[in-house]
Amino acid sequence: DAGVIQSPRHEVTEMGQEVTLRCKPISGHNSLFWYRQTMMRGLELLIYFNNNVPIDDSGMPEDRFSAKMPNASFSTLKIQPSEPRDSAVYFCASSSQRLATNEKLFFGSGTQLSVL
Amino acid sequence: KNEVEQSPQNLTAQEGEFITINCSYSVGISALHWLQQHPGGGIVSLFMLSSGKKKHGRLIATINIQEKHSSLHITASHPRDSAVYICAVTSPYNTDKLIFGTGTRLQVFP
Repeated sequence: DAGVIQSPRHEVTEMGQEVTLRCKPISGHNSLFWYRQTMMRGLELLIYFNNNVPIDDSGMPEDRFSAKMPNASFSTLKIQPSEPRDSAVYFCASSSQRLATNEKLFFGSGTQLSVL
Repeated sequence: KNEVEQSPQNLTAQEGEFITINCSYSVGISALHWLQQHPGGGIVSLFMLSSGKKKHGRLIATINIQEKHSSLHITASHPRDSAVYICAVTSPYNTDKLIFGTGTRLQVFP
């Protein structure tokens, strides 16, 4: 299996532009997580899905952030409009079961986002 | 005070040394994860623990639920072990949410 695939690896954009990050989880995994990593705050959960349904989006910082999972093999995280403080590394991760059931997380390579 | 504290923040070692990284947490948990983040940025899940001890190769992870403490040990350390090691615990309110420590940066020199 190719693992969790994220695209793009790097994104540089100007303030006010729309940014879309993409994630393909491992086939057969039914939990998908979006995390953000910054120097100041470390890793933080933004939102997660179970069986394509958003379960908890309380970590999404503002209405500018939205996430979708239209099917079991694809998810997007969108920022509109983007701001410089959104600059961070965004990770997608998946697991075959809910984390409470003794399962490891598998991370994508991350998207390094820079908003100028 | 952070809910998950790691020590030390930075650690340097000579190849072959035994290394211990500590994680203390202040919330009730159902599981604790150890993650490894390589210099290139990729994150790998090393262990998921809910009790006792787990071993994988030269890595050993232990947890003491009563003391709210976990340790990650690396035996016979090697330069390729150089990475940031991150402890994360499941939220007491939502076991799918991980609360992350700030990480321990390890450098092993030949």
